[in-house]
Amino acid sequence: DQQVKQNSPSLSVQEGRISILNCDYTNSMFDYFLWYKKYPAEGPTFLISISSIKDKNEDGRFTVFLNKSAKHLSLHIVPSQPGDSAVYFCAASPPGAQKLVFGQGTRLTINP
Amino acid sequence: KAGVTQTPRYLIKTRGQQVTLSCSPISGHRSVSWYQQTPGQGLQFLFEYFSETQRNKGNFPGRFSGRQFSNSRSEMNVSTLELGDSALYLCASSLSLVGDTQYFGPGTRLTVL
Repeated sequence: DQQVKQNSPSLSVQEGRISILNCDYTNSMFDYFLWYKKYPAEGPTFLISISSIKDKNEDGRFTVFLNKSAKHLSLHIVPSQPGDSAVYFCAASPPGAQKLVFGQGTRLTINP
Repeated sequence: KAGVTQTPRYLIKTRGQQVTLSCSPISGHRSVSWYQQTPGQGLQFLFEYFSETQRNKGNFPGRFSGRQFSNSRSEMNVSTLELGDSALYLCASSLSLVGDTQYFGPGTRLTVL
């Protein structure tokens, strides 16, 4: 039972354009959502998070949107840069626990 | 402030052996969680410690165990290693239990031969 799903294994975007990564979840108890960026053989690097009481959070080029009724979140990167090429994981956490449930990841490639 | 550190970074063991991995959280962080990453299963939660107490455990066999010390440093142990235990083991720390971001270490790459 995969509670967090990233249905796109890969995404290719032109440099300077917007990258949109999507994530769906099934457990309505999740109250904290995060996006991480990961390179092979390294630990995930935190990008941005959002609490379930919000529907949008922005940090520089990164914006996360949360649609609770659809159980869907998305990460927007504007403008996309070559250094953004990596695997992106969305993760969700239930209340009162540091127990992240991760999606399978989306490999983002930014083309010059 | 120093990030999460994990030792060793790479480890090669043979089936049947046991292994201990170490994690030092970010200074001031009291919660430590462990994750396993494999190509087939992705990133999966192993266990979570706070104030030396295991708060949650993932769906892993009893061969996987851990502990946390009074200085918040944590170790995980895998006994009777199997080939399928080959993975990247990641440690993450956070300030507390509720709504805090987890910051990950670089991981320990375990290869079981």
